[in-house]
Amino acid sequence: SYELTQPPSVSVSPGQTARITCSGDALPKKYAYWYQQKSGQAPVLVIYEDSKRPSGIPERFSGSSSGTMATLTISGAQVEDEADYYCYSTDSSGNGVFGGGTKLTVL
Amino acid sequence: EVQLVESGGGLVKPGGSLRLSCAASGFTFSNAWMSWVRQAPGKGLEWVGRIKSKTDGGTTDYAAPVKGRFTISRDDSKNTLYLQMNSLKTEDTAVYYCTTFTSSSPDAFDIWGQGTMVTVSS
Repeated sequence: SYELTQPPSVSVSPGQTARITCSGDALPKKYAYWYQQKSGQAPVLVIYEDSKRPSGIPERFSGSSSGTMATLTISGAQVEDEADYYCYSTDSSGNGVFGGGTKLTVL
Repeated sequence: EVQLVESGGGLVKPGGSLRLSCAASGFTFSNAWMSWVRQAPGKGLEWVGRIKSKTDGGTTDYAAPVKGRFTISRDDSKNTLYLQMNSLKTEDTAVYYCTTFTSSSPDAFDIWGQGTMVTVSS
């Protein structure tokens, strides 16, 4: 079955740039999406179609994709950005797949 | 206000069945592709499946772990999405979310319910 691979954790100091990667063999042909989930809450979409930002999402969140890797970048990470982040894409059949998630610590 | 509200979760024995509902409001439900996503305690998100709008064929797709056991359906007259879960296993224990999108991107899930907990245990 298709898998998306993320690092389990990323840690940065406030104001630094956080980068979370997501690798998958189909990413050259499929879009990547990024979801933020804070403890006890439903996920929130922060990036869609590799690099588009939904309305209401701060400009410090950006996305890119190159080859088999997609990257979520948080420029000037803030304490309130501390959360779990999940990449998402689809397999060759169009079925959804989430990455394992990355715990972002900002301290 | 765009809103999704799940219900129907609870405790069920292995091998049992449960039906979850997701009531939608604030958008044209009949035009929406709806998905279910679950999250086991302390674990990551897992896509369960989706149903397209009747206009787009009304077809369903499922993740491999639930295919043949779970069925997604919709009642557009009631603005309600369903997840019928049969032959439940302990590994189906999770919070189940319904979700949809408001943009033109079917996988950009920007509307989520609060989730409903399903516990499969003897």
